Amino acid sequence: GQNIDQPTEMTATEGAIVQINCTYQTSGFNGLFWYQQHAGEAPTFLSYNVLDGLEEKGRFSSFLSRSKGYSYLLLKELQMKDSASYLCAVREGNYQLIWGAGTKLIIKP
Amino acid sequence: EPEVTQTPSHQVTQMGQEVILRCVPISNHLYFYWYRQILGQKVEFLVSFYNNEISEKSEIFDDQFSVERPDGSNFTLKIRSTKLEDSAMYFCASRVTGGKQYFGPGTRLTVT
Repeated sequence: GQNIDQPTEMTATEGAIVQINCTYQTSGFNGLFWYQQHAGEAPTFLSYNVLDGLEEKGRFSSFLSRSKGYSYLLLKELQMKDSASYLCAVREGNYQLIWGAGTKLIIKP
Repeated sequence: EPEVTQTPSHQVTQMGQEVILRCVPISNHLYFYWYRQILGQKVEFLVSFYNNEISEKSEIFDDQFSVERPDGSNFTLKIRSTKLEDSAMYFCASRVTGGKQYFGPGTRLTVT
């Protein structure tokens, strides 16, 4: 079956670092995505990993271990505007994305 | 940066009515998608469209749903006879090749 797990909610402090984990069990794997979604808005793309390792893009980094079915999103120097839901999604084949339920990140001053 | 656009932003309809949700993907994109998100729940894949045909669809995408790309720019989702449980945010997305899907702002569908 398909299963993508991520924590429901996390809280962090402005200026700090937070790591959001995602574990997946899917019948196929053709890439893992992280999206940010503010309430009432569309998901916006953050990162894409298809090979093992770390992808860094500014304040955001994403890590993938295919053998462990595991990824994390690392957010550094947190800002209040980073308060949002962070969605982990796996592409099994060529097309469909399977989505996790999202992690709501609350940033406190 | 080019954007995916969707109209209308909010559609209210009565149960049993047909609705058509419209999307204009980014012009050089080749793969098109519809997703839905019921309030407070996760994003769910409905259908993907490539080379003028459905390439993949989920269990949600039953006979009540259909998609069209009528004129090379628009991409539409039709729900033939809406049900209360169809109330959700519907997102269109598109991509060239590779990974990144660009999402439109969504259409909020409310079925009463």
